Amino acid sequence: DSGVTQTPKHLITATGQRVTLRCSPRSGDLSVYWYQQSLDQGLQFLIHYYNGEERAKGNILERFSAQQFPDLHSELNLSSLELGDSALYFCASSVDPRTGNDGYTFGSGTRLTVV
Amino acid sequence: GQNIDQPTEMTATEGAIVQINCTYQTSGFNGLFWYQQHAGEAPTFLSYNVLDGLEEKGRFSSFLSRSKGYSYLLLKELQMKDSASYLCAVIRPDKLIFGTGTRLQVFP
Repeated sequence: DSGVTQTPKHLITATGQRVTLRCSPRSGDLSVYWYQQSLDQGLQFLIHYYNGEERAKGNILERFSAQQFPDLHSELNLSSLELGDSALYFCASSVDPRTGNDGYTFGSGTRLTVV
Repeated sequence: GQNIDQPTEMTATEGAIVQINCTYQTSGFNGLFWYQQHAGEAPTFLSYNVLDGLEEKGRFSSFLSRSKGYSYLLLKELQMKDSASYLCAVIRPDKLIFGTGTRLQVFP
């Protein structure tokens, strides 16, 4: 157990629907990052939150949004789902985005399948 | 802009040594990570380099040259369980940017 918890582990939904993915960071970590990994592709950075505030955005679609709550857990909302949104969605956390010597810790991911 | 390049695939024999290279061009650099990822699983942290030189951790070593925008991961005494993807990731002040990863297959 990495200490980063993601739910649900698997999600199957239809095109056009909306889903929410949840991430609880490792205890003490203030930063949460979301990544998308499509089949046989690299990890694509979506968005970074630090202590409740958005810090950086990657190639995140307008149909996607995220937030980090006062208890530091984060949610990634995906709407108007398309077949191409099927992917593994990972959350990672770190204490501070500037210090990296212990790595960013990843959750086990949510596998989203859009049918 | 940013660009991180790694070979797509490599193969090696059990017990051998393999070197996986990574070249990068990014604006902002706070260090570099190497991660291992088995198919369908979360990436797991292997190593961190922020200064030039070699960092050794058991069977794994990682090297960084900041002036050349170059890093490599060296895996010694390869085992079958080392078959996985190896991801190079550059630490920027605001995010972690990954290369596309190198899929390593270890054969008996």
